[in-house]
Parts: sequence; C-alpha cells; structure tokens
Amino acid sequence: NAGVTQTPKFQVLKTGQSMTLQCAQDMNHEYMSWYRQDPGMGLRLIHYSVGAGITDQGEVPNGYNVSRSTTEDFPLRLLSAAPSQTSVYFCASSYSAGLADTQYFGPGTRLTVL
Amino acid sequence: GDSVTQMEGPVTLSEEAFLTINCTYTATGYPSLFWYVQYPGEGLQLLLKATKADDKGSNKGFEATYRKETTSFHLEKGSVQVSDSAVYFCALPGNAGGTSYGKLTFGQGTILTVHP
Repeated sequence: NAGVTQTPKFQVLKTGQSMTLQCAQDMNHEYMSWYRQDPGMGLRLIHYSVGAGITDQGEVPNGYNVSRSTTEDFPLRLLSAAPSQTSVYFCASSYSAGLADTQYFGPGTRLTVL
Repeated sequence: GDSVTQMEGPVTLSEEAFLTINCTYTATGYPSLFWYVQYPGEGLQLLLKATKADDKGSNKGFEATYRKETTSFHLEKGSVQVSDSAVYFCALPGNAGGTSYGKLTFGQGTILTVHP
C-alpha cells in the first residue's frame, strides 16, 4: 500500500512552459485535493475533487487546471508557468468528507519557475 | 470565512524543554480541530485531533485540548526531543452544510528546532 504518491519530486521550469504534476492514491479514496505551500502562509487549497469526474476550485485556482478521470489519479496542470507559481505542491486524499476525517498527504513536488 | 492563526515562529528549544505552540481559530459552529506535522523532506501527517469541545487529542507525547470558550487548540509537549524538529500546522475542516468536501484550512505553520 503506497498511499499517496507524487511525481516528480523536483522540477525546474522556464516562464511560459507547461507541465503536469502527477498524483495517485491506492486507498480507494473519493476525495482528493491539491495544496501549495509557501513560507509563512501555510498550505492553500488550489483545487479539489469529490469523486471521479467532479472537481471544483479552491482558494488559489488561477493558472492551474485539474481533471479526475479515475478514482486513483488527480493530476494538476500548469498552463503557462509563472515565477509566482514557485512553491511546494502537495496532493492529499481522504476516505470521506466527514468533518473529523484524516487527510493523507503525498511527499510533495518542489517546483521552481525561472 | 473560517481561519486559523498560529503563533509566530520559528521556535528553538533545547532537548527536554517544554513546548507550547498556540493556535486559535475562527469558524462557524464547533468544527473538529487537527494538528498536522511535517518532518524534513516529507509530506504532512496527522499528529492528533479533537472532534468536540473539551476533547483532548494526544499522540507521541503531544497533547492539545479543544477550548471553545477561547476558540483555541494549543499544542503542548512536556519534554521535546531532537526528533520532534519539524513544522507543525493547526487546521480545521472546510464546513459547508456539515461536510468538509475533503478540504482543510491551515494555519501558517510553526517551525520547531530542537537542539541536543
């Protein structure tokens, strides 16, 4: 049971390039989320999904796209990278939407945009 | 909207010192409250949680009590170890009509460094 996996671990992009951050979970969780972590700001929600085919925006969605074609996978696409998107990105999943449910996090992707 | 405020950091302690990291929240109703920990180079993992007022969550020697009168959930440990060096996040669930939709609202995080 690998839990939540993310690839790549590190990535450097030039301004304007596009890329996809991969996230997969093998726990059969319905709920998945993407967060970005910036110094002094905690984690902020980018997009989330409540099941295959259903996604919605979080707090900071601009410049990012998501889709959820399967329960297992939830990729995050950067359409045209900007230096402001330099951050550490975490994917998370949970079994249900209960208010006491635990979120399980991947190890993160550290992205630098030059 | 809901929000979480953590004490300003970072915090530097000697081994066996007492630790307090303050957390206060603003929310509708009485949400569950969480502490997550991020060890160097890793993702976040749940440290402890409390689901209702006056509940005490505990794990690995850490404790936090849900105080609704002060809207606080301070994290404490009586004797820290070098291995406790990490970033600690206070969090509460998104709450729309009684469901979190798998979302969390985080505080800004507190960096803890413990020296031998």
